[in-house]
Amino acid sequence: GAVVSQHPSWVICKSGTSVKIECRSLDFQATTMFWYRQFPKQSLMLMATSNEGSKATYEQGVEKDKFLINHASLTLSTLTVTSAHPEDSSFYICSTEGNSGNTIYFGEGSWLTVV
Amino acid sequence: AQSVTQPDIHITVSEGASLELRCNYSYGATPYLFWYVQSPGQGLQLLLKYFSGDTLVQGIKGFEAEFKRSQSSFNLRKPSVHWSDAAEYFCAVGRGGTSYGKLTFGQGTILTVHP
Repeated sequence: GAVVSQHPSWVICKSGTSVKIECRSLDFQATTMFWYRQFPKQSLMLMATSNEGSKATYEQGVEKDKFLINHASLTLSTLTVTSAHPEDSSFYICSTEGNSGNTIYFGEGSWLTVV
Repeated sequence: AQSVTQPDIHITVSEGASLELRCNYSYGATPYLFWYVQSPGQGLQLLLKYFSGDTLVQGIKGFEAEFKRSQSSFNLRKPSVHWSDAAEYFCAVGRGGTSYGKLTFGQGTILTVHP
């Protein structure tokens, strides 16, 4: 079964609104989670590293005030796209490192469409 | 910073033919290397990974990859392609040490399989 659960799988929102995507680790503690974005017909790009109990680390070019990341517990990281625009429409996917080492678990991904 | 190049954007093969997808990486130390497959509208599935040891890595679905340090390559191979292998394939490199889960992806190679 899934080790990392991501929700929602699909979301449509209106321009200017905010949408939250959740990434949960099941049955293990994830102190670090990663958020990626994939625009249509493009590759996956790392957006930020989410650390439990501290501020996320954003990659260059990613607006931290627009993409709010919260990692308040060892099993949950959330990505909130604020004031969404159509150009934010993308596939967002999270991942985490397994506790046993050398294993990376990806969530199922979330398709965001901003209309 | 690490980088990954997949020279072939699109490859077409006939069912039953052999396949090789190319991947070249740039990284100062010994990299962690991965191959993922993504079907349309789906998330990522890990095919195989290389961390250390034997440079020929066996993965799922009959895939294998060979790490060649001298060529900075990690090419993916399959001796006989099935129609269900049609998908997009991503090579990725992760940093070693404490944060191997932070991946840099290549641009992806779309595989089309003709009957």
